[in-house]
Amino acid sequence: GQSLEQPSEVTAVEGAIVQINCTYQTSGFYGLSWYQQHDGGAPTFLSYNGLDGLEETGRFSSFLSRSDSYGYLLLQELQMKDSASYFCAVNNNNDMRFGAGTRLTVKP
Amino acid sequence: EAQVTQNPRYLITVTGKKLTVTCSQNMNHEYMSWYRQDPGLGLRQIYYSMNVEVTDKGDVPEGYKVSRKEKRNFPLILESPSPNQTSLYFCASSRQEANVLTFGAGSRLTVL
Repeated sequence: GQSLEQPSEVTAVEGAIVQINCTYQTSGFYGLSWYQQHDGGAPTFLSYNGLDGLEETGRFSSFLSRSDSYGYLLLQELQMKDSASYFCAVNNNNDMRFGAGTRLTVKP
Repeated sequence: EAQVTQNPRYLITVTGKKLTVTCSQNMNHEYMSWYRQDPGLGLRQIYYSMNVEVTDKGDVPEGYKVSRKEKRNFPLILESPSPNQTSLYFCASSRQEANVLTFGAGSRLTVL
């Protein structure tokens, strides 16, 4: 079957760094992306990795290792507004598969 | 403003009454897709479309239909809704491939 695994919950304090891991098992793979969703809102795009390595976008970075079927999202200098759910997603030739999401709670 | 627009945002209906959720994007995107979101399950893809007149099944297509007659529109049709289709639905689009998705605001559907 096809599956994506990510932790269900993560808690961290303001100013800290948090890493959200994602492991996947899919029949095909064209890239791994990350989305943020605040309660009551729509998912918004954060980052995409098509090749192995690190992609950096401001306070957010994403990493991919295709040989390990693994990626992570790194959030630095956490702010209260980062409290949200984060989803990893695999692009399997445009057939998208999402993880169940990681709920990040940032505490003061 | 570049956006994906879904309507209706909220709908309560009864079993068996056909309904259509519209989706329109103004970014000239080729790729469009529909998802349903249920607690604990994340987003599950229902159908996607790479371009006009090209549609493909996603992970959970049963009970749904779509059409792509124009580039900007990708309606989701529930011919005979059932209570297990009660969910939050999102439409999304991307320029060419599904690498960077822009989502609509969501449509919360309740089937009684």
